Amino acid sequence: SAVISQKPSRDICQRGTSLTIQCQVDSQVTMMFWYRQQPGQSLTLIATANQGSEATYESGFVIDKFPISRPNLTFSTLTVSNMSPEDSSIYLCSVRLAEVVSPYEQYFGPGTRLTVT
Amino acid sequence: GNSVTQMEGPVTLSEEAFLTINCTYTATGYPSLFWYVQYPGEGLQLLLKATKADDKGSNKGFEATYRKETTSFHLEKGSVQVSDSAVYFCALSLNTGNQFYFGTGTSLTVIP
Repeated sequence: SAVISQKPSRDICQRGTSLTIQCQVDSQVTMMFWYRQQPGQSLTLIATANQGSEATYESGFVIDKFPISRPNLTFSTLTVSNMSPEDSSIYLCSVRLAEVVSPYEQYFGPGTRLTVT
Repeated sequence: GNSVTQMEGPVTLSEEAFLTINCTYTATGYPSLFWYVQYPGEGLQLLLKATKADDKGSNKGFEATYRKETTSFHLEKGSVQVSDSAVYFCALSLNTGNQFYFGTGTSLTVIP
């Protein structure tokens, strides 16, 4: 398994501002993912963050709104830009361990609870 | 397409009651199936998994059997405890890609 930490754990932000969320893993991993969990809803994949290349975004998510960095195999950041109240969600980082070939299970961080006022 | 359908909640049970949370799926390939649990204020934790038909995943008294014929992966526990109160997510992953497909989650509250 993997131990994943996220910073901040929660934040309250004003609309129009940006917040950068950090995700740190205790081991080197190939695949890192960012999810959004809107209130009372399931998880939606935002993007896949690969080290050394640009993130791959899912339909409905764009780099200008959710820029992602992946400078090494243990760290990634997600920025929520120009926030609006609709961005209020829990943002979760997850990883897939490099040595796991099948099944493609993922391990999740504790999440960042964002409230935009 | 690929999707997961979960039993809607919320579910409220008395301590020591039997739990079943239904989960069915559609998949274009041969998925692996998972149950994740989210305790209040925390992230998701992998509860159990099954990688092929007829596999049974089990952990902490919870069980789920991968039924290809009914495309189901129902979660069961014989005797729930107050500490089992959480939201449970069924999910599938196609071994050919990175995408996880999650159900909508089922909230369980166990009362003493």
